[in-house]
Amino acid sequence: GAVVSQHPSRVICKSGTSVKIECRSLDFQATTMFWYRQFPKQSLMLMATSNEGSKATYEQGVEKDKFLINHASLTLSTLTVTSAHPEDSSFYICSAKAGINREKLFFGSGTQLSVL
Amino acid sequence: QQQVKQSPQSLIVQKGGISIINCAYENTAFDYFPWYQQFPGKGPALLIAIRPDVSEKKEGRFTISFNKSAKQFSLHIMDSQPGDSATYFCAASASGGYQKVTFGTGTKLQVIP
Repeated sequence: GAVVSQHPSRVICKSGTSVKIECRSLDFQATTMFWYRQFPKQSLMLMATSNEGSKATYEQGVEKDKFLINHASLTLSTLTVTSAHPEDSSFYICSAKAGINREKLFFGSGTQLSVL
Repeated sequence: QQQVKQSPQSLIVQKGGISIINCAYENTAFDYFPWYQQFPGKGPALLIAIRPDVSEKKEGRFTISFNKSAKQFSLHIMDSQPGDSATYFCAASASGGYQKVTFGTGTKLQVIP
């Protein structure tokens, strides 16, 4: 299957700092990537859809100024958590669709963000 | 209408037994139904998927059963092994490019020796 690489896998930061998470499609081009957030023992919550060369589409309730998404190339999307606070601590996962019909969703390995 | 309901929330199965996880959906526009397996601290991995034109799909020990009229589908894990212990998510999406994927609430499976 397609490979989605996400970095870093874990980050600890102080409250008020910004954190950038990278998501790369290694063996395919992804014009669209998806960013999810997952709390412990819960399902995946779609935060935003990242489109190459255009603005991201955010889900209702997700602050676009808090979670900045940049999709500058066909293989790279970044999520920046700005002025992070303890309530932003969570598991963030990126994904991209691949396959003939672009129906298969492949996930990165996730980033565990802990804000102190 | 976008929901996918998943049950049970947790499941304990003895090694060699059959694990069964059920999902139900409402949106008739959904036409692609994947299952994902997630280990702690990792991203979900696509396990198996089915389209509504077939009632069953089997890949190794994993089988999806699909009932279009009831709008239900299930995952069967035959000969369950301790290595299968993970959280399983069913999902659904509509075709047509980059449609969003709707996930179930997850089932934590524990296979005991």
